[in-house]
Amino acid sequence: GQQLNQSPQSMFIQEGEDVSMNCTSSSIFNTWLWYKQDPGEGPVLLIALYKAGELTSNGRLTAQFGITRKDSFLNISASIPSDVGIYFCAGLGTSYDKVIFGPGTSLSVIP
Amino acid sequence: GAVVSQHPSWVICKSGTSVKIECRSLDFQATTMFWYRQFPKQSLMLMATSNEGSKATYEQGVEKDKFLINHASLTLSTLTVTSAHPEDSSFYICSALQGRYEQYFGPGTRLTVT
Repeated sequence: GQQLNQSPQSMFIQEGEDVSMNCTSSSIFNTWLWYKQDPGEGPVLLIALYKAGELTSNGRLTAQFGITRKDSFLNISASIPSDVGIYFCAGLGTSYDKVIFGPGTSLSVIP
Repeated sequence: GAVVSQHPSWVICKSGTSVKIECRSLDFQATTMFWYRQFPKQSLMLMATSNEGSKATYEQGVEKDKFLINHASLTLSTLTVTSAHPEDSSFYICSALQGRYEQYFGPGTRLTVT
């Protein structure tokens, strides 16, 4: 079946630094979604991408839908302590039947 | 907008009892809801897709007789864990579909079976 890989698995950065993480697959996806999950909470939708090449921003967050449709990246600029959490990418495959989640990238921000 | 609630937030039950978890879309109607299970430090595992007015679609390996799903209205889906055992202890999260592809998640329910 279709699977997603996320890298890095975890990262520790200083407050104020920019962050970049990505999501890749060997399969084509038609929609990419980026979520953030705080401990003990449900994931919160950050950005949704629908077209290859699409670049979308949400405040300090920017995400892009790769032109090959097999990858997506998420950038966070000027990180702050509340950015701490696990970031999941999710993709809707070509069968449009269900969303598949990646394993997540754990972000820690050092004040 | 797009708020999803879950009840209860956490529950402790004895082995052999059943537990019902509710998922509600508060400000939109959702014909499709999803139930996930998440173990510590792991990603979300889709258990089943819940469709209003029809039977749920279960993922491979998920026992439909153990995890009963009822999507009785456009704003409510319930997951009942029947005859719970300690290995059923987990974080259960629901989501509701708004539009074609965007899922909005509830805050999750922590189930502990003793």
